[in-house]
Amino acid sequence: DAGVTQSPTHLIKTRGQQVTLRCSPKSGHDTVSWYQQALGQGPQFIFQYYEEEERQRGNFPDRFSGHQFPNYSSELNVNALLLGDSALYLCASSLAGGVEAFFGQGTRLTVV
Amino acid sequence: TQLLEQSPQFLSIQEGENLTVYCNSSSVFSSLQWYRQEPGEGPVLLVTVVTGGEVKKLKRLTFQFGDARKDSSLHITAAQPGDTGLYLCADSGYSTLTFGKGTMLLVSP
Repeated sequence: DAGVTQSPTHLIKTRGQQVTLRCSPKSGHDTVSWYQQALGQGPQFIFQYYEEEERQRGNFPDRFSGHQFPNYSSELNVNALLLGDSALYLCASSLAGGVEAFFGQGTRLTVV
Repeated sequence: TQLLEQSPQFLSIQEGENLTVYCNSSSVFSSLQWYRQEPGEGPVLLVTVVTGGEVKKLKRLTFQFGDARKDSSLHITAAQPGDTGLYLCADSGYSTLTFGKGTMLLVSP
């Protein structure tokens, strides 16, 4: 079992550009959540996808959007990048209603 | 909005020492989870506690949940360099996680 895999591991983008991050959940998991972790902070919840629908959303602007595919994999898209979007983006998978989330290693996004 | 405060923010100790880190919430936890995050990795779940007053042990780690379910502590006995990492507490309510800022622990040989 490969666990949760994220790609790419590192990414450098220019202010104003758009970025897409990808996540494959742990085998058997149907729910994917995305978190943003700024330097020196704990992870902050962005949104959660289940059955290809956004089920819950945290306090993030509409520039952050996502998608879940029929195979449960997910993408996080960020438009009009700001310097403040530089962070580690974490994907977590779980079973619907489950209490245990498994995290990927994250994508380190740097906006210059 | 629930706020989780963790203390201390940073702790640097020698191998073999004991330590305790704390997590306090502005509201009652749905259920409390502790995670450890190593540099360049995602958080890994250590324990879930649900009942007020609950104590759980995981090898050299002891987790306590306050009676009022608003605070928790993590005690590590005889710390080892492999314990180095960011210790995060989180409220796992409504299938999403609210995290504190974490305690960064550095254990030197």
